[in-house]
Parts: sequence; structure tokens; C-alpha cells
Amino acid sequence: NAGVTQTPKFRVLKTGQSMTLLCAQDMNHEYMYWYRQDPGMGLRLIHYSVGEGTTAKGEVPDGYNVSRLKKQNFLLGLESAAPSQTSVYFCASSYNRGILNTEAFFGQGTRLTVV
Amino acid sequence: QQQVKQSPQSLIVQKGGISIINCAYENTAFDYFPWYQQFPGKGPALLIAIRPDVSEKKEGRFTISFNKSAKQFSLHIMDSQPGDSATYFCAASINSNSGYALNFGKGTSLLVTP
Repeated sequence: NAGVTQTPKFRVLKTGQSMTLLCAQDMNHEYMYWYRQDPGMGLRLIHYSVGEGTTAKGEVPDGYNVSRLKKQNFLLGLESAAPSQTSVYFCASSYNRGILNTEAFFGQGTRLTVV
Repeated sequence: QQQVKQSPQSLIVQKGGISIINCAYENTAFDYFPWYQQFPGKGPALLIAIRPDVSEKKEGRFTISFNKSAKQFSLHIMDSQPGDSATYFCAASINSNSGYALNFGKGTSLLVTP
């Protein structure tokens, strides 16, 4: 049981380049999230999905796009990378248990540097 | 705007001591308050969580104290060990259209010295 797997683990991009981060979960979770972590800022929500085919903006969505074509996968895209997008990106997933919040499981992170 | 405020930013505790991290929130709609532990190079992992209908929850050496009227909650680590050295994040969430998206504090870097 792999849990939440992120690909790649490290990447260096040049300003203006594009890339896609892949998140895959094998726990049949309905909800999936992308966060970014910056020093002294905690984790901030970029985009999220409450089900296959649905996505929505979080706290810091500018410069990113997402897609969830399959329940187990959540893709984060950077169309034109900027140095301000240098960060560690975490994907997470959780069950939908109605009114009860449930644990979010996180991947190992993707360290992205934009030069 | 940070919805959950966490302090201190860093903390040094001697082995066997008590580590205390505090958080405060404004949104009274929050109904789930987890603490996550993160080791370098790893993703955050759930440590312990509490709902607002209880004032305290204990799991081993870790205790959450929750004060609903003050909108504050804290993590206490008893008998702190060097292996507890990590970054701790408090968070809060509600069941809404965003699922259970977590609002995180900025984190506390804990160092437990031998």
C-alpha cells in the first residue's frame, strides 16, 4: 500500500518553462489537495478536488492549473514557471465521511526550483 | 490571511522536559483541529486531532488542550525525546465545499537536546 505518491521528487526549471506534477493515491479517497510549503509560511492550499472531474481554487491558485480525470490522480500544472513558484509541493488526500473530518494523508513532496 | 496563528516559531527543550506549542483561530466554524508532525524531507503526518466538543485529548505522551471560548488550542509533549525533534503544524478545518481542506499554522521547529 503506497499511500500518496508524488512524481517527480525534485525538479529544476528555467523561468517560463512548463511542467506537470503528478499525485497518485491508492486509498480510494474522494478528496485530494495540492499545497505548497515555503519557509516560515506553513502549508498553503493551491487547489483541491472533491471528486473525479471536479477541481476548485484554494488560497494561492495563481499560476497553477489542476486536473482530476481519474479518482486516483491529481495533476498540478505550471504553464509558465516563475521564480516565486520555487517551493516544496505536497499532495494530500482524504476520505469523505460526511460531517466528520478525516485524516489527510500527505505525499513525500516535490522540491521545485525555478531559476 | 493566516486563519490559524501558531507560536512559538522555534522551541528548544531538554530531554525529559515538556514541549508546549500554542495555536489560535478566528473562524468559529472550524470543527476539526489536528496537529501534524513533519521530519526533514518528509511529508506531514497526523500526530493527534481533536474536535471542539472535548477539552482535552491524550495519546501517549502527546496531549491536545482545547479552549473553545478562547479559540485556542495547544499541543503538549510530555517527557520530550530527541526523536521528537521535528516541525509541528497545527491546523483547522471545516466540512465545506472545499472538503476538509486544512488551514495550517506557520509551524514550530522543535529541537529536543540530549
